[in-house]
Amino acid sequence: KNQVEQSPQSLIILEGKNCTLQCNYTVSPFSNLRWYKQDTGRGPVSLTIMTFSENTKSNGRYTATLDADTKQSSLHITASQLSDSASYICVVSLYGGSQGNLIFGKGTKLSVKP
Amino acid sequence: DAGVIQSPRHEVTEMGQEVTLRCKPISGHDYLFWYRQTMMRGLELLIYFNNNVPIDDSGMPEDRFSAKMPNASFSTLKIQPSEPRDSAVYFCASSLGGGRETQYFGPGTRLLVL
Repeated sequence: KNQVEQSPQSLIILEGKNCTLQCNYTVSPFSNLRWYKQDTGRGPVSLTIMTFSENTKSNGRYTATLDADTKQSSLHITASQLSDSASYICVVSLYGGSQGNLIFGKGTKLSVKP
Repeated sequence: DAGVIQSPRHEVTEMGQEVTLRCKPISGHDYLFWYRQTMMRGLELLIYFNNNVPIDDSGMPEDRFSAKMPNASFSTLKIQPSEPRDSAVYFCASSLGGGRETQYFGPGTRLLVL
């Protein structure tokens, strides 16, 4: 069964600290993996998208990694800020599938405290 | 660009009533998606359109749900009759092209069915 599991479910860190969010998937065949940031009360916003040939992709203080062999991805946030408080959703796309073949994780809720 | 526009932002209705959610995609985008988000199930794709034509509606939970896209700048998602278990946040998203293209989400409509 195609699944995307994210951990932890929630995380609290102090402002300025780094953190890493995990995404494990069993989706096959794999096409690409996306990370979204969703602020409370708003729609998700795309952070990164990676294919199986890409190991790392950065977007400012956000760095996503992908290991297609172990089917794991991580999102590393450097020098966290209060504005990083949000839910982070991992989404995996099926290879050869239509735009609708997206498997969503349930997200990690990150709280950054001053 | 104003981004994806959804209305209403909040809707409270009673069981059995008809509910219509509206979406205006980003101008020029040829894909439009409707999603539902709940705490229990996370984000789920309901249906998506390409050039105003429904491509995949396999995520529509049952016949009570219907979606239309009469033109490139407008889409509706209708629930008739509504039930309490339909309570969720409904997102509309659009993208330019398929595949790896980024989907841009609207702010969502928070629906509560009493």
